[in-house]
Amino acid sequence: GESVGLHLPTLSVQEGDNSIINCAYSNSASDYFIWYKQESGKGPQFIIDIRSNMDKRQGQRVTVLLNKTVKHLSLQIAATQPGDSAVYFCAENPPSNTGKLIFGQGTTLQVKP
Amino acid sequence: EPEVTQTPSHQVTQMGQEVILRCVPISNHLYFYWYRQILGQKVEFLVSFYNNEISEKSEIFDDQFSVERPDGSNFTLKIRSTKLEDSAMYFCASRKLLYEQYFGPGTRLTVT
Repeated sequence: GESVGLHLPTLSVQEGDNSIINCAYSNSASDYFIWYKQESGKGPQFIIDIRSNMDKRQGQRVTVLLNKTVKHLSLQIAATQPGDSAVYFCAENPPSNTGKLIFGQGTTLQVKP
Repeated sequence: EPEVTQTPSHQVTQMGQEVILRCVPISNHLYFYWYRQILGQKVEFLVSFYNNEISEKSEIFDDQFSVERPDGSNFTLKIRSTKLEDSAMYFCASRKLLYEQYFGPGTRLTVT
């Protein structure tokens, strides 16, 4: 079936440390993955994406890793800041011409000062 | 920077009433979506819309729901007869050609 899940509901890190948020997806045919950040009362905000023909993609302070063998996706945030505190969702694009996204449950990232 | 906008930010309605949620997607985008998020849960796909017609809908999107693009800018979601379980945040999203979807700030719908 179509489902995207996350390993941990809450992640607490110290300011300045690196954060790693994990995600497992079930549809091996999904060809596109996105990480979104959602702050309280707001809509999902695009962070970074990766296509299935890539293993790694880097952005500003963020890196997404894709392991297709075990259907695993991770988001690494370098030098985590208080402003990074939010819920993080991974989403996958299953085979479809419509581009719909299937979201995971979300991980709450708490950054301690 | 262009963004997706949604109105109202909060809508309170009584069970059985009709509601219309409004969205203005980014102007040069071609694909439009509605998602919902029940409090504390994940975001769920409702419907996708392209070339003035529904391209895909989920099992949540039953006959009580409809979408429309009445003019060149607005994209609406109508719920004909609201139920308590329709209470949720409703997000509109749009994309241009490739994959990246941009989300609006959402409308919180409360059905009493």
